[in-house]
Amino acid sequence: AQSVAQPEDQVNVAEGNPLTVKCTYSVSGNPYLFWYVQYPNRGLQFLLKYITGDNLVKGSYGFEAEFNKSQTSFHLKKPSALVSDSALYFCAVRDVVGYSTLTFGKGTMLLVSP
Amino acid sequence: DAGVTQSPTHLIKTRGQQVTLRCSPKSGHDTVSWYQQALGQGPQFIFQYYEEEERQRGNFPDRFSGHQFPNYSSELNVNALLLGDSALYLCASSLGQLRSAQYFGPGTRLLVL
Repeated sequence: AQSVAQPEDQVNVAEGNPLTVKCTYSVSGNPYLFWYVQYPNRGLQFLLKYITGDNLVKGSYGFEAEFNKSQTSFHLKKPSALVSDSALYFCAVRDVVGYSTLTFGKGTMLLVSP
Repeated sequence: DAGVTQSPTHLIKTRGQQVTLRCSPKSGHDTVSWYQQALGQGPQFIFQYYEEEERQRGNFPDRFSGHQFPNYSSELNVNALLLGDSALYLCASSLGQLRSAQYFGPGTRLLVL
């Protein structure tokens, strides 16, 4: 069975500082990995994905994520946080083998203070 | 280019009733997936439709059923509603079933009293 762990319920960072939101995964084969963001009372917005290739993936709004196969991690990063980045962030994984479903983590609330 | 749309935005039902939620996928997408997001939780996969057939199903009872139409739009039906069915129901569309990202609609918030 595949799973995703987001070990932090909340991450606090000051505006202008770098941010990291952590994600680790477990799949039987190779993973497809995704990050989504959810603003209050809204659906999920796609940020970025890792399918294959470079371990550093660049996405929307200045976000990037680093795939680390040995550590089974896919941490979300941004060099300089904005107050408007405050939202709920979800990591998701799908196994490459077969037609597996997309499994989400529980989410991490990011709070960026002015 | 319209994104994923869902209707209605909000819905209040009582226990035992039935509900139908609707989803129109993003233009060019042919696959629709439905998720249930309970308060404070990540989305949980309900099922996925491709070529008008249910292709995959999550751990949800038969009270949850769906349909996909020739224009790729989809419906989620829930029978015999329980209080625990109260949640945000999200529809996501994608091109194909594997590699492409899923794009989500704004969701339908269902409250069961």
